[in-house]
Amino acid sequence: DGGITQSPKYLFRKEGQNVTLSCEQNLNHDAMYWYRQDPGQGLRLIYYSQIVNDFQKGDIAEGYSVSREKKESFPLTVTSAQKNPTAFYLCASAKPWSSNEQFFGPGTRLTVL
Amino acid sequence: AQSVAQPEDQVNVAEGNPLTVKCTYSVSGNPYLFWYVQYPNRGLQFLLKYITGDNLVKGSYGFEAEFNKSQTSFHLKKPSALVSDSALYFCAVRVPDYGGSQGNLIFGKGTKLSVKP
Repeated sequence: DGGITQSPKYLFRKEGQNVTLSCEQNLNHDAMYWYRQDPGQGLRLIYYSQIVNDFQKGDIAEGYSVSREKKESFPLTVTSAQKNPTAFYLCASAKPWSSNEQFFGPGTRLTVL
Repeated sequence: AQSVAQPEDQVNVAEGNPLTVKCTYSVSGNPYLFWYVQYPNRGLQFLLKYITGDNLVKGSYGFEAEFNKSQTSFHLKKPSALVSDSALYFCAVRVPDYGGSQGNLIFGKGTKLSVKP
């Protein structure tokens, strides 16, 4: 997990609340990603950012929002519009060029009460 | 549409025996292929990748994988399994964007490897 931190490790949310998940990296990577992991479904891409101040929707962006104001940081907000937010959320970063592997943070487990 | 298949939800092996975790892919173009491992409640750790060149790729912790273009496969192997290898394994594929961007990784659903003493 080295170089990428995610906080908090566990997060509980009441229905109707927005919550923000933190992701910070000190690897000097340009690209950052957010994935959602559900049992038996692998990882699904929520949002990604190739460079500061720019980001793109992934496959399941509805109900989520992000910002990329600093190279090191890529916070994810889970809004009340996300109908089923309980999941394990993983942040990743990578150097440019598609031959480079992604480095993952330790994850945040979000539970909606 | 691009996709990755890991046909086995779970693989069980005895410690000391060889292990194989299967992965097949469907993409248009020449793929970049990756294997990751995930321990419970942890992030994914990179194991190895195939970009070009030798079809047999060696990676971390004694793992290797063989790229087979004709069978569109990239199976993960290890000659002698350890109990500590027990984890969730993900295969991923990317078709490179020659404009220089990362392109999106497409992940398989994962295979749970269980190694018994």
